[in-house]
Amino acid sequence: GAGVSQSPSNKVTEKGKDVELRCDPISGHTALYWYRQSLGQGLEFLIYFQGNSAPDKSGLPSDRFSAERTGGSVSTLTIQRTQQEDSAVYLCASSPGTGSGEQFFGPGTRLTVL
Amino acid sequence: AQKITQTQPGMFVQEKEAVTLDCTYDTSDPSYGLFWYKQPSSGEMIFLIYQGSYDQQNATEGRYSLNFQKARKSANLVISASQLGDSAMYFCAMREIIKTGANSKLTFGKGITLSVRP
Repeated sequence: GAGVSQSPSNKVTEKGKDVELRCDPISGHTALYWYRQSLGQGLEFLIYFQGNSAPDKSGLPSDRFSAERTGGSVSTLTIQRTQQEDSAVYLCASSPGTGSGEQFFGPGTRLTVL
Repeated sequence: AQKITQTQPGMFVQEKEAVTLDCTYDTSDPSYGLFWYKQPSSGEMIFLIYQGSYDQQNATEGRYSLNFQKARKSANLVISASQLGDSAMYFCAMREIIKTGANSKLTFGKGITLSVRP
């Protein structure tokens, strides 16, 4: 079946602009996660959605970052007033919420802030 | 303190040989899960293997096995019979189940680069 998809695959923006990154999880997966990976580094947790529960926003680095998940499916990560330090690969993952809780990752969106 | 520590420099292994990638973790949560992911140069994150803190036996998945030493808080990945396609970045990750939930976030280490030589 289809895996996690993300769009766009690449985004170049100017400092100060707002950007929206989209994630389509695997159908039926109840949990959705956003991570950020800076060059050569590990993944940094941003936010987690589980069903209808309040999202875990504990990883969002500033109030310029927000995310929503509509209808328990598609999610959008929004970064307002982008800064150069926001440049990274943004990875989305989803999980069925059962078993080991393995997370299935999308291909990521590479964000470059000039 | 870092929750997941991967300190090996870039690792090299000869094709068809076995290699061990080290991971130590730090948690006070009695219930946790440990994961290994592979990230090739193409960038996708590929799940390899999972070990639960209460699992009595070491996890195995094909050529991958996890050497779980709970008292030492280590969860080393062993790859047997290395293949050229194993060249990638490898990440160890942990979920603290009681503290954060059964399907909550993963905390990742900084990764180890593995290069397989022909």
